[in-house]
Amino acid sequence: EIVMTQSPATLSVSPGERATLSCRASQSVGSNLAWYQQKPGQAPRLLIYGASTRATGVPARFSGSGSGTEFTLTISSLQSEDFAVYYCQQYNIWPPWTFGQGTKVEIK
Amino acid sequence: QVQLVESGGGVVQPGKSLRLSCAASGFTFSLYTVHWVRQAPGKGLEWLAVMSYDAEHEYYADSVKGRFTVSRDNSKNTLYLQMNSLRPEDTAVYYCARVEYFTSWFDHWGQGTLVIVSS
Repeated sequence: EIVMTQSPATLSVSPGERATLSCRASQSVGSNLAWYQQKPGQAPRLLIYGASTRATGVPARFSGSGSGTEFTLTISSLQSEDFAVYYCQQYNIWPPWTFGQGTKVEIK
Repeated sequence: QVQLVESGGGVVQPGKSLRLSCAASGFTFSLYTVHWVRQAPGKGLEWLAVMSYDAEHEYYADSVKGRFTVSRDNSKNTLYLQMNSLRPEDTAVYYCARVEYFTSWFDHWGQGTLVIVSS
């Protein structure tokens, strides 16, 4: 099973600042990595797939990078609606499809 | 637009059974694979099970293997999750999530249905 590890667990950022979230895989997943955003009481929403491709309707301030075992989600200038929990997920080696434990982006 | 609507959640005693449904609309259900993912209160996302679009392939997480069974009725555009021998640790919001291809990312999610396993 591929273990996905996200850091930090919580990220405190001021609106307008840049946020950088990390995700590490226990073995290479190539570029088969997705990022999701989840707000309280809501289902997850796809942000990024293929490590760096934004899903339909996702603002350009969200960008993904990395390959192999190290991945990054960057939010260039945080907006109020971006404060949420973010999960990475690998779909390269399955089953199981595995998620990271999440990074909570909170208002500083 | 693509819509997935889960139902069937509720409060159930340990050891009992429950069947969840995921009703799909806005796309040709018979051409898409749909997964089940759950989220325990205050916890992260846990993948549970999948059945391929043609029902030829199914896979389960170790935590539910032998207790949960996924099925689908393409004539009703519905995916099911039969949950037997429920345990308190199965308490969670259960989501169904569609994938573009069998091996791809989850592009659409339902709103979830809450299952509480408690005596």
